[in-house]
Amino acid sequence: QLQLQESGPGLVKPSETLSLTCIVSGGSISSSSYYWGWIRQPPGKGLEWIGNIHYSGSTYYNPSLKSRINISVDTSKNYFSLKLSFVTAADTAVYYCAVPLNGYWGQGTLVTVSS
Amino acid sequence: EVVLTQFPDFQSVTPGEKVTITCRASQHIGISLHWYQQKPDQSPKLLIKDASQSFSGVPSRFSGSGSGTDFTLTINSLEAEDAATYYCHQSTSLPWTFGQGTKVEIK
Repeated sequence: QLQLQESGPGLVKPSETLSLTCIVSGGSISSSSYYWGWIRQPPGKGLEWIGNIHYSGSTYYNPSLKSRINISVDTSKNYFSLKLSFVTAADTAVYYCAVPLNGYWGQGTLVTVSS
Repeated sequence: EVVLTQFPDFQSVTPGEKVTITCRASQHIGISLHWYQQKPDQSPKLLIKDASQSFSGVPSRFSGSGSGTDFTLTINSLEAEDAATYYCHQSTSLPWTFGQGTKVEIK
């Protein structure tokens, strides 16, 4: 049974880069055909897809964030990462790593953008 | 971008009643429409995949139907533990999108 766990700073300053890591356990990130993804949810609001990555390195990003996103994978350490640059208060959200169509979600981590 | 609109936004229901939530897509998406349940301070949980396929472990009172642009999530005989917000999600075309959510409250 796969388990996903987000980690990273809970507070980021405006204009800086948000960096999160999703540690995958219970299976190898490179032994499946999953697309590993990031989804976020501003406080009290709905879900927004950020992007996906395949272990081969293929990425798919939400055009609304594309210029600021980088998603990468480290198969040797079995994790994938999100970097979101030039953050503003509008990027404050709970960030989930997930393979949503297979029912795998991390517990989510709240990232607040504030000086 | 495919816009998903859910109806209603909020529903207050007595235990034992039937709940129907509709998700309408702005363009045809086949059957690549999925439903999630999210309780406060929890991650979303997959209920229904590909419009009508129940995910493993999901109670049989949850069912989905539809194709093209109109989809329905039905909860037969609502239980108190079903109080949550329900989201539809499409994976036919990028970017993946979600409906705005339907909050189900227990009377």
